[in-house]
Amino acid sequence: EAQVTQNPRYLITVTGKKLTVTCSQNMNHEYMSWYRQDPGLGLRQIYYSMNVEVTDKGDVPEGYKVSRKEKRNFPLILESPSPNQTSLYFCASSLRENYGYTFGSGTRLTVV
Amino acid sequence: SQQGEEDPQALSIQEGENATMNCSYKTSINNLQWYRQNSGRGLVHLILIRSNEREKHSGRLRVTLDTSKKSSSLLITASRAADTASYFCATDAMSGNTPLVFGKGTRLSVIA
Repeated sequence: EAQVTQNPRYLITVTGKKLTVTCSQNMNHEYMSWYRQDPGLGLRQIYYSMNVEVTDKGDVPEGYKVSRKEKRNFPLILESPSPNQTSLYFCASSLRENYGYTFGSGTRLTVV
Repeated sequence: SQQGEEDPQALSIQEGENATMNCSYKTSINNLQWYRQNSGRGLVHLILIRSNEREKHSGRLRVTLDTSKKSSSLLITASRAADTASYFCATDAMSGNTPLVFGKGTRLSVIA
C-alpha cells in the first residue's frame, strides 16, 4: 500500500532530551516535507526537501533539524526539545512539483 | 510566505444540503489544492486545480478557480454526516522552489 509512515504516533518527553521522529514513504516521491499543526495557527511548514541531500527551511525551522540521505526517509530531529514544540507533526510527500501530497498519520508530541 | 485563507472558519449544515467553502490567496500560483482532515488525523488530498483551469469536478466535489480574484471555492453537494471534517486549501507558488503553503482551514459540521 502506498503510504507515508511516521513513528512514533504519540510521544511524551522532557525538555532537552533529544528525539527523532521518523518518516518514510514507499512511493519513490521526490518531495518530502514536515509540518506542525497548532490550534488557531493551521499547518506551518518546518522543513522541506526537493530531493536527496537537498533540504530547505520552511516557515518555522527554529529548533528542528532534518536530513535526506535516502529518497524514502526524511527524519525530523529535535536536538533540545522545549515545551513550545508541543504540537501535532505531519510528514508529507509528493511525486514532484505541482502534484498532490500524501500525508502521514501524524505524531502527537508533548514536551514537559 | 503566501498563505491561502479559507472562509468561513466554521460552517454547520444539515445533511443533504450543499456546503461551499472559499479560499483566497495573495500571489500567483501554479496550482491550488484542497485537502480534508478528520479530527487529529492526517490530511487527505481531494483535488488539484491548475492555474490555467477554471473548474474541476470529482464525485460530489466541485472546485472553481478565479486567478483574477486570487480565489477558489470548494462545493460539496448533497452533504453527508461523514463529510464532517476540516477542509484546507493549499497553494503552490509560481515563483521559486516553495512547496505547498496551507491555510487555517474551514471546519465543516454536517448534522444528520
